[in-house]
Amino acid sequence: DTAVSQTPKYLVTQMGNDKSIKCEQNLGHDTMYWYKQDSKKFLKIMFSYNNKELIINETVPNRFSPKSPDKAHLNLHINSLELGDSAVYFCASSQGRRSEQFFGPGTRLTVL
Amino acid sequence: AQSVTQLDSHVSVSEGTPVLLRCNYSSSYSPSLFWYVQHPNKGLQLLLKYTSAATLVKGINGFEAEFKKSETSFHLTKPSAHMSDAAEYFCVVTSTGNQFYFGTGTSLTVIP
Repeated sequence: DTAVSQTPKYLVTQMGNDKSIKCEQNLGHDTMYWYKQDSKKFLKIMFSYNNKELIINETVPNRFSPKSPDKAHLNLHINSLELGDSAVYFCASSQGRRSEQFFGPGTRLTVL
Repeated sequence: AQSVTQLDSHVSVSEGTPVLLRCNYSSSYSPSLFWYVQHPNKGLQLLLKYTSAATLVKGINGFEAEFKKSETSFHLTKPSAHMSDAAEYFCVVTSTGNQFYFGTGTSLTVIP
């Protein structure tokens, strides 16, 4: 009965590869988010979707592309991975844009 | 514009003593404020939230926070620290609704 789930939990890959991270929420929320947390624990929002529509698209390299096939899913695809992409990526969801967000367990991406 | 400042990057307390984690915010409109906790290698969990109701907000695990508009503060407190409280704590503000603004985090150490 996990509320927000992400797969995989760990991802180790070589520079230049393309990888995807999947996120699913079973809370019936209409808004989903992707965050990047660096080694100093700083959280930066990357994208947000509301009812499958992109509403937040922060300054992120266009190698990162979110896809929302339906309200319950928000996937993150990363092309041509670089060393600086190594971080923990969190998915979150909320009902409306001012409500509390529920976070997934995170995906630790390591680029070698 | 909205922003949030966590005044201490690290706080150490002895087990059984009070905890105070400080947060100041800046918001052009009536804000919603949140505290999240992140235990090592885990996702973020909501501790408590303020959304313009009572100014003293009670959360999980014995934590409280008081919204003080005149001081633009939302400090987090707990009367007696437990070893399990050792974690990273994030203060968050949102107001116009499009985005959460995270503080840089406060790392709480509890000394036995």
